Amino acid sequence: KNQVEQSPQSLIILEGKNCTLQCNYTVSPFSNLRWYKQDTGRGPVSLTIMTFSENTKSNGRYTATLDADTKQSSLHITASQLSDSASYICVVSAIPGGSYIPTFGRGTSLIVHP
Amino acid sequence: ETGVTQSPTHLIKTRGQQVTLRCSSQSGHNTVSWYQQALGQGPQFIFQYYREEENGRGNFPPRFSGLQFPNYSSELNVNALELDDSALYLCASSPPGGTSSYNEQFFGPGTRLTVL
Repeated sequence: KNQVEQSPQSLIILEGKNCTLQCNYTVSPFSNLRWYKQDTGRGPVSLTIMTFSENTKSNGRYTATLDADTKQSSLHITASQLSDSASYICVVSAIPGGSYIPTFGRGTSLIVHP
Repeated sequence: ETGVTQSPTHLIKTRGQQVTLRCSSQSGHNTVSWYQQALGQGPQFIFQYYREEENGRGNFPPRFSGLQFPNYSSELNVNALELDDSALYLCASSPPGGTSSYNEQFFGPGTRLTVL
């Protein structure tokens, strides 16, 4: 069964600090991995996407890494801002038989305090 | 250019009823996917529509069905509602490029369904 596990479930940090969110997956056949940011009451917004051959991708203060051998990914947020408070969701896509099947993690809830 | 819109914003139904949720895709997008997000959980993939045909389905029973129209807008229909169907239902559209999961999905704000 395809699964995506994220940790920690929630995280509280002070503004300006860095943090790292983790994602472990068992999805096959692997196609790509995305990190999304979901603000409360809104739909998710894509931050990064990585394929099997990519091991790092940056988007401003967000840097995602991927280790396809260990099936692990991380999202590092640098110099956090109050607006970073949101849920961060890891999504891994498989393409069995040509169909698109994404598996979402439960998300990490990040709260940034001033 | 308008983004993905969904209607209604909120909806309250009782067990056994039927519901139809609507989604207008972003201009120029021809692929629409639907997701169910229970409180405190990540979204779960229901199904995807491409050029009016279902293309990929998650682990949801047949009482969850959908349609895509020639203008690429879409409907999600749920029959015989159960209490566990209470959730945020998200619609996402993707630009032309087929059904590749590499295509970025743009999500709507969702419809909050409560089943009593």
